[in-house]
Amino acid sequence: EPEVTQTPSHQVTQMGQEVILRCVPISNHLYFYWYRQILGQKVEFLVSFYNNEISEKSEIFDDQFSVERPDGSNFTLKIRSTKLEDSAMYFCASSEAGQGVGAPTDTQYFGPGTRLTVL
Amino acid sequence: SQQGEEDPQALSIQEGENATMNCSYKTSINNLQWYRQNSGRGLVHLILIRSNEREKHSGRLRVTLDTSKKSSSLLITASRAADTASYFCATSRRRGAQKLVFGQGTRLTINP
Repeated sequence: EPEVTQTPSHQVTQMGQEVILRCVPISNHLYFYWYRQILGQKVEFLVSFYNNEISEKSEIFDDQFSVERPDGSNFTLKIRSTKLEDSAMYFCASSEAGQGVGAPTDTQYFGPGTRLTVL
Repeated sequence: SQQGEEDPQALSIQEGENATMNCSYKTSINNLQWYRQNSGRGLVHLILIRSNEREKHSGRLRVTLDTSKKSSSLLITASRAADTASYFCATSRRRGAQKLVFGQGTRLTINP
């Protein structure tokens, strides 16, 4: 069964460093998302991406964050200058196209996550 | 905010018993989804119920939705040790909306 994959599974970095988290969405999906979960807290939406542009982003997704689909299979989240409070599990998700133009189906499929630890 | 609370926060039952978890939300929604998360792992989609549906079944799972009370429940029947996980509800305000808003989750432990 197709699944979303993420690398690395665990990333440790120093405060102020740049990190890139990588995701390979399910191959026929067109909508891509990043969420994060700080330890013991809720899963929080960061950003959604469709047709090579951001379609929605949360207040958390500030100028330190960026997303990119560099090729036909990868979807990346970059944090330019990490802070201690960026330590969290980051989940990538994808969904397939729905019936309406520009509309995804409602079910999002999540990857296993990347645990980011900022020291 | 869109999301309310889930209760209980933690639930511990014996294998074979039924487990019921509840989720409340604050705004109107298009659909509500339940996800399972094993410790330290990713989120696995379980079931989706739309705002015009009242009940849905999938295997040992039964989900209900009461839009007048802005609440949903997830029932797992004949629980197994492998059901031990955290369970989250997530709401979406529009059809095809791209933002899921998650609840705090219920930590379910099934004792053998």
